[in-house]
Amino acid sequence: AQTVTQSQPEMSVQEAETVTLSCTYDTSESDYYLFWYKQPPSRQMILVIRQEAYKQQNATENRFSVNFQKAAKSFSLKISDSQLGDAAMYFCAYRRVSRGAGGTSYGKLTFGQGTILTVHP
Amino acid sequence: SQTIHQWPATLVQPVGSPLSLECTVEGTSNPNLYWYRQAAGRGLQLLFYSVGIGQISSEVPQNLSASRPQDRQFILSSKKLLLSDSGFYLCAWKYLAGQYFGPGTRLTVT
Repeated sequence: AQTVTQSQPEMSVQEAETVTLSCTYDTSESDYYLFWYKQPPSRQMILVIRQEAYKQQNATENRFSVNFQKAAKSFSLKISDSQLGDAAMYFCAYRRVSRGAGGTSYGKLTFGQGTILTVHP
Repeated sequence: SQTIHQWPATLVQPVGSPLSLECTVEGTSNPNLYWYRQAAGRGLQLLFYSVGIGQISSEVPQNLSASRPQDRQFILSSKKLLLSDSGFYLCAWKYLAGQYFGPGTRLTVT
């Protein structure tokens, strides 16, 4: 079974600085997706960034970027120029590639336990 | 555009009472739908998923059940709530390679 581990229960950063959140995962699959979700105090889950395992290039979305190390099964999130609105819980998630009508993955996500990010003004 | 709704937003129920949480999706057809529970602000646990009307798969044995009476409606139910059913319940639908989540329902069982 796939597992996702976030070893940092809490992290903090000064406004305008950079912070990196760690995530490791375990899978025997070669093709999959990885995600970072943000959960602010409203508790709405917001997709931050997505990485396809077959792509060597790291995904970026504005101030958010990932460091995807497939061999090491590592998927970290870097937040640059941190803003007060970045304060939230961040979840790393894994998803197998769907196998079509005969497949069994059905797009299920496996989540890590989350990292609480505090941004200091 | 696609949107996902959940209601109620907040619910306080006594132990032993029934439960019905509703999730509806707009702007798409035949979506894969999911129910997650988040306890104590940590980790999401997948409870049920559905790939079509009347098709429900359960991930963990529990006091809850799910139904999909219509293409874009997914319902989470219980006949008798337990204290351990308290938590934050999130509905999600599969979109391209990811999942998009509803606003959630905060359930407190007293």
